[in-house]
Amino acid sequence: GAVVSQHPSRVICKSGTSVKIECRSLDFQATTMFWYRQFPKQSLMLMATSNEGSKATYEQGVEKDKFLINHASLTLSTLTVTSAHPEDSSFYICSATGTGWAEQYFGPGTRLTVT
Amino acid sequence: AQKITQTQPGMFVQEKEAVTLDCTYDTSDPSYGLFWYKQPSSGEMIFLIYQGSYDQQNATEGRYSLNFQKARKSANLVISASQLGDSAMYFCAFHSGGSNYKLTFGKGTLLTVNP
Repeated sequence: GAVVSQHPSRVICKSGTSVKIECRSLDFQATTMFWYRQFPKQSLMLMATSNEGSKATYEQGVEKDKFLINHASLTLSTLTVTSAHPEDSSFYICSATGTGWAEQYFGPGTRLTVT
Repeated sequence: AQKITQTQPGMFVQEKEAVTLDCTYDTSDPSYGLFWYKQPSSGEMIFLIYQGSYDQQNATEGRYSLNFQKARKSANLVISASQLGDSAMYFCAFHSGGSNYKLTFGKGTLLTVNP
């Protein structure tokens, strides 16, 4: 299967600071990338859909000014959590898919802890 | 809106036996896809198997097979010859043909394989 990396795998930051998470497709061109959030013992909730060169499409209830998404190339998307607060602590996971593909391939996830 | 349901919060199976994880969905779209992903305790989402709504045959991938019953709107995952490494969360996911491949996930089933 296709490989997607995510960096960092874990991050601890102080309340009020911003954190950037990178998602890279290593062996394919990702025309679309997705960002999900997962709370403990819960399912994945889609936050936004990102197409290369376009503005991200956010799901209802997700603050676009707080969760900034950039998909500047066919292999890289970034999620920046701005002015993070403890309630933003969660597992953030990205996925990527190529043109015409049905399946999405997921990165290993980033565990964010805001103190 | 599409809805996907996994009714088994937890399942137990003896090593080397087969197990079926249930998944039902609700949609009025004629074209859609169904997926199963495995999430071990490390957090990564591992793609297992895909079934398209127009596929005539049930999908199979090694020890995984998908029991697709379109009229009943069910897409159960069958794992044959369970192994200890199969212990993980299993998520069923759905996307409709016109949704830009956005996935909607079920709540998941925690599978424990006993030696």
